Amino acid sequence: QVQLQQWGAGLLKPSETLSLTCAVYGGSFSGYYWSWIRQPPGKGLEWIGEINHSGSTNYNPSLKSRVTISVDTSKNQFSLKLSSVTAADTAMYYCARDSPRVYQLPASGIDIWGQGTMVTVSS
Amino acid sequence: DIQMTQSPSSLSASVGDRVTITCRASQSISSYLNWFQQKPGNAPKLLIYAASSLQSGVPSRFSGSGSGTDFTLTISSLQPEDFATYYCQQSYSTPRVFGQGTKLEIK
Repeated sequence: QVQLQQWGAGLLKPSETLSLTCAVYGGSFSGYYWSWIRQPPGKGLEWIGEINHSGSTNYNPSLKSRVTISVDTSKNQFSLKLSSVTAADTAMYYCARDSPRVYQLPASGIDIWGQGTMVTVSS
Repeated sequence: DIQMTQSPSSLSASVGDRVTITCRASQSISSYLNWFQQKPGNAPKLLIYAASSLQSGVPSRFSGSGSGTDFTLTISSLQPEDFATYYCQQSYSTPRVFGQGTKLEIK
């Protein structure tokens, strides 16, 4: 059974860089897309971006200038960096598994999620 | 970006009721529409993918329909564990935008 375990700093000061890592256990790493999604307290879900095992990425344009998603296939891990954080970046951050692509489109949906990491940005 | 609009934003219903939540895309997304359920303190859970395909392990009282721009999630007979927030998400293009959510509460 595939599980995602994520970790990273939970308290940041404005202008610092958020850094989170997600490890994939118990299943195939290649063939899937690996996503980051966030949820501010009491609000809805925001898709941040995704990466596949080859390092091909897609980012949300609203965050693209500050986001980097990378992959380490030797460890079955992928990571999120978000630079120049502000209070608006305070949120629960989730890593998740998205489906393989068929003709460049997802065959199904985001079916496995990490436990979430609450990141608070405060001076 | 494709915008996703859910309605209603909140809904009160009773155990045993039939409930329908709608989701509208700002442009055609074919059938690339997913539905998620989220309970407080938990990560979202995939219920329906590709507009109408039931995710493995999800009870059959959940169903999805629609294509193009208009989609629905139906719960045929509400159970106590179904009271949660529901989100649609388009997977036709990036960014993969979510709807704003529908909070389903007990009447």
